[in-house]
Amino acid sequence: EDQVTQSPEALRLQEGESSSLNCSYTVSGLRGLFWYRQDPGKGPEFLFTLYSAGEEKEKERLKATLTKKESFLHITAPKPEDSATYLCAVQPNTGFQKLVFGTGTRLLVSP
Amino acid sequence: GAVVSQHPSRVICKSGTSVKIECRSLDFQATTMFWYRQFPKQSLMLMATSNEGSKATYEQGVEKDKFLINHASLTLSTLTVTSAHPEDSSFYICSASGRGVIQPQHFGDGTRLSIL
Repeated sequence: EDQVTQSPEALRLQEGESSSLNCSYTVSGLRGLFWYRQDPGKGPEFLFTLYSAGEEKEKERLKATLTKKESFLHITAPKPEDSATYLCAVQPNTGFQKLVFGTGTRLLVSP
Repeated sequence: GAVVSQHPSRVICKSGTSVKIECRSLDFQATTMFWYRQFPKQSLMLMATSNEGSKATYEQGVEKDKFLINHASLTLSTLTVTSAHPEDSSFYICSASGRGVIQPQHFGDGTRLSIL
């Protein structure tokens, strides 16, 4: 069964304190791994797609990396506006375009 | 780019009422649209997948006659919750993706449905 596990469930950081979020996955065959940001009461906002092990993508203070078993979302010098829930999802190569989501990491960045 | 609009953002209605939620892709053609349900502090649960002009594919355990999905055009899909009851109260979110196998899904801002 395809499965995504995210850790930690919640993370509290001080402004400027860098850290990483983890997304571990088991999937029959990986077509792509996606990172999203979700603010309270809103839909997820697309951040990155990673396709193969060794790939990295960056956007402002965020950097996503991928191995054969997990993905990391590194947050460098976070700001309070980075506070949100970060969701990881995998697209197996079976099941047309369907995503399997993790339960997310709730990030709170204090000033 | 890749904007998805979902309407309404919030609905409060009496038990037994049918509620229609619209999902529109504003700046791209959405060959596939998805409907999710999200419970507090939980992740997204896929309800159904729909392709333009064809019947929706429902996930196991989702009642087809309760949750009617129509994907009549490349920019519009609707979810109708028929004869809604309090247990149908939830946060419903749609997403859309364009042509191509590995396309990210772009999400609407969700609809908070409360059945009294």
